[in-house]
This record gives sequence, C-alpha cells and structure tokens, in this order.
Amino acid sequence: DTEVTQTPKHLVMGMTNKKSLKCEQHMGHRAMYWYKQKAKKPPELMFVYSYEKLSINESVPSRFSPECPNSSLLNLHLHALQPEDSALYLCASSPGDRDNEKLFFGSGTQLSVL
Amino acid sequence: GENVEQHPSTLSVQEGDSAVIKCTYSDSASNYFPWYKQELGKRPQLIIDIRSNVGEKKDQRIAVTLNKTAKHFSLHITETQPEDSAVYFCAASKVGANSKLTFGKGITLSVRP
Repeated sequence: DTEVTQTPKHLVMGMTNKKSLKCEQHMGHRAMYWYKQKAKKPPELMFVYSYEKLSINESVPSRFSPECPNSSLLNLHLHALQPEDSALYLCASSPGDRDNEKLFFGSGTQLSVL
Repeated sequence: GENVEQHPSTLSVQEGDSAVIKCTYSDSASNYFPWYKQELGKRPQLIIDIRSNVGEKKDQRIAVTLNKTAKHFSLHITETQPEDSAVYFCAASKVGANSKLTFGKGITLSVRP
C-alpha cells in the first residue's frame, strides 16, 4: 500500500461543531504531517509528528488539535472553527529516517465552515 | 528562515514544446529541492527531487537542474502533453529529522493541444 488515505473527503461544519479529520498510512512511515491549503496557494505546514510525538507546531490556533494514536494514524480534531478556516486539509507522511524529506500526500479533506 | 520564489505564476506552451520553470531560494544551508505537481482537485505529487550534491537529475521527460552558487533550481519538461497541465510547486529544505519544506507559490502550466 503506497497511499495516504484521508477521511472524509468533504466536510461542512458550523462554527459550534466538533469534528475530526482522519489520516492513515501503511507504508511504515514514522513521520506524519498536517498541512492546510487555500485555493491557488501552496500547502502550509501545521503540525509534524515524528515517531508518534509532536515535533513541530507552527503556532496553530488551539481550535485545531492533532492526535497521533499510533504510527499509522493521524487525527485532526476541530472545534469552534471560523469561516476563514475553510480550506483543503492535507495529511502527508514521510519515512522518518533516510529520505525523510520525501512527502507523500493524501487527497485531502475539503472543509467548509459556515 | 528559507524563502522560495517561483516565477512566473503562469506558463502556457504548445503541446510538444518544452517548458522550463525556475525557482530561487535564500538559505544556502538548504540541500533538498523537490518538485510537486498538483492537478485540479487532486493531491500534490512528488515528481522529481534533487539533493545539493548533484547538479542535474533526469527521469524520462522531466529533469531538474540545480545551481548552488546562484541558489536557483529549475524544472524542465520536454515534449509536453496536455496531461502535464497542472500547478507545479518547487520547495526547499534541509535534509534531516524534522526538516520543514518551504514551498514556492506555484506556477500554473497550461499545455495547449
């Protein structure tokens, strides 16, 4: 399996809702990432987990809460989001040691906050 | 921190022609330079990358060249096809644990049939 799988593909939520985005990979990668991408813009790094530990938080607001239950799974918990948080949320993974720079992206969750 | 510039923002070529996309970077310590292709509504996909210990790398119709002195690198696509139409992002980072990719703003390549 050489894919990063994200669910759901689309999500519409209100500003008072709580929802979670899920990401899974079975490539044995030990680093996993959350990126946010606005239309016609490059991906922006949010969080990095390395060997199941949070290693980078790019000063993301606390309404976004990442979780890495094990080396294959990555979640992003969403609470009290704002309309400007509407974007494509991409999960990615990389080997974690040699070739750690090679990112494999999932297809993303298109999030709309109403 | 690193700053990656990508120009122009759009490029249109005739099918069969070559396309060259250029990026510059600011941090001389950066040593890994990937190119990602993102088709409309799809995920970014790594199409080719180069490390700073080589000057050129080729994979079928695509190649990447790196000039460390001038701090720029370029993507070359030969014999372009309509399916090459996409947004192309260059990026730069340092090799190692927790390395962070800095992306350029992207260029929209259109290949006219």
